[in-house]
This record gives sequence, C-alpha cells and structure tokens, in this order.
Amino acid sequence: SQQGEEDPQALSIQEGENATMNCSYKTSINNLQWYRQNSGRGLVHLILIRSNEREKHSGRLRVTLDTSKKSSSLLITASRAADTASYFCATDAPGANNLFFGTGTRLTVIP
Amino acid sequence: DAGVIQSPRHEVTEMGQEVTLRCKPISGHNSLFWYRQTMMRGLELLIYFNNNVPIDDSGMPEDRFSAKMPNASFSTLKIQPSEPRDSAVYFCASSRGGGAFPTPTQYFGPGTRLTVL
Repeated sequence: SQQGEEDPQALSIQEGENATMNCSYKTSINNLQWYRQNSGRGLVHLILIRSNEREKHSGRLRVTLDTSKKSSSLLITASRAADTASYFCATDAPGANNLFFGTGTRLTVIP
Repeated sequence: DAGVIQSPRHEVTEMGQEVTLRCKPISGHNSLFWYRQTMMRGLELLIYFNNNVPIDDSGMPEDRFSAKMPNASFSTLKIQPSEPRDSAVYFCASSRGGGAFPTPTQYFGPGTRLTVL
C-alpha cells in the first residue's frame, strides 16, 4: 500500500505557536498534497507540492518534500484557534488518477 | 460553483434496509471518488470513476456495495442490505482528471453520515 502515515497522531499547542506535522509514504509520487478536515466536514485542499519541488509556501503554511526519504512536513506558523482540525497528506503515483491519504494528524490550538 | 453536493446529509436506517447515497460532482470534473471514513479505519477509497466509467473498485468492501455513474453529473452508492458495521461517514469527491490539463486536487462534498441500527 502507498498509504502515508502522519506523525504525530495528535498535537496540542497554544495559539501563536508553530505546528509541525510530518508525513511518510512508501512509493514514487507525482505530487504530494495536504488537506484539512474540520470536525463534521469534508476535506479541503490546502497546498500541493510536486515531486521536483523541495519547499512551497502559502500564507502561513510551509511544506517541504524530501523524496529521498519519502517524507514531507507541513508547518503552520503563528497558529490560531481556527486552525484546529485534522490534517492529511495525500500522494498520487505516476499514471494513477487516485490519491492515497495518510492517517491524519489531529491538531488542537488552545486559545 | 456550488461545490460537490451530497445527499442525504444524515441517514439512519435499520439493519437489512437498502441505503442509497447520492453525489453531484463539480461541473466540468470528470473524475469522481467515493470514500468511507471511520475512526477505526480512517479514510478509505471505495471506488472511483473516470468519464463515468468505474476504474478501480477494489476498495468496495463486498457485494453488498455497488456504485453507478449514469452521467457526468450524478453518482450513487448503494448498500443492500445494510449492516451496523457500515455505519460511517461517506464522502464523494471530484477532480478534473485526465485530458490535457489533469489536476490531482480533489474537492470533497460535506459527506453523508450513515447510521445502521
């Protein structure tokens, strides 16, 4: 299975702190994405990084990708209570149209 | 655009009953995905379609589950007969896959929370 795994499974921080989540996967990929899921809602796409990219920024989000280690990290800077959610990484393999989702990190930002 | 639309949002049924979940993908998207999410198993891909054709149904748990996509704007996931272990949140997602400008980004609907008593 190509399913990724996020680490940690759960993370609790104070508002204003930075949050770092990691994702590992098993096989070659075209792209890696991060999604957010608020409680009771569907997943929402946050950011995509291609396999030939090493770092990408979007607002308070910073994503890194290390294809040699088959891992990625998502950094959320200056966290807010509204960032409380589950975060999933998802990969797509060459020639495939579907995504493989990780197990998710549950982030709680305490006001 | 209204996004991916799913109905019903909540469904409570009794074991043995037939359940039909519905999905309307985003207009112009030609790939559609059905997922199931539970605390124990996380997010599982059940089946996905490209241009209304089922491509991979290896995630469908058993013959009680079936999915159809009769046209580009509608898909159903049917469970017959339903069992308590089918209780989960079922998500539909769509993307603009294939063609000249494919994108792997998927857009999820709000989900259907199914409870089988």
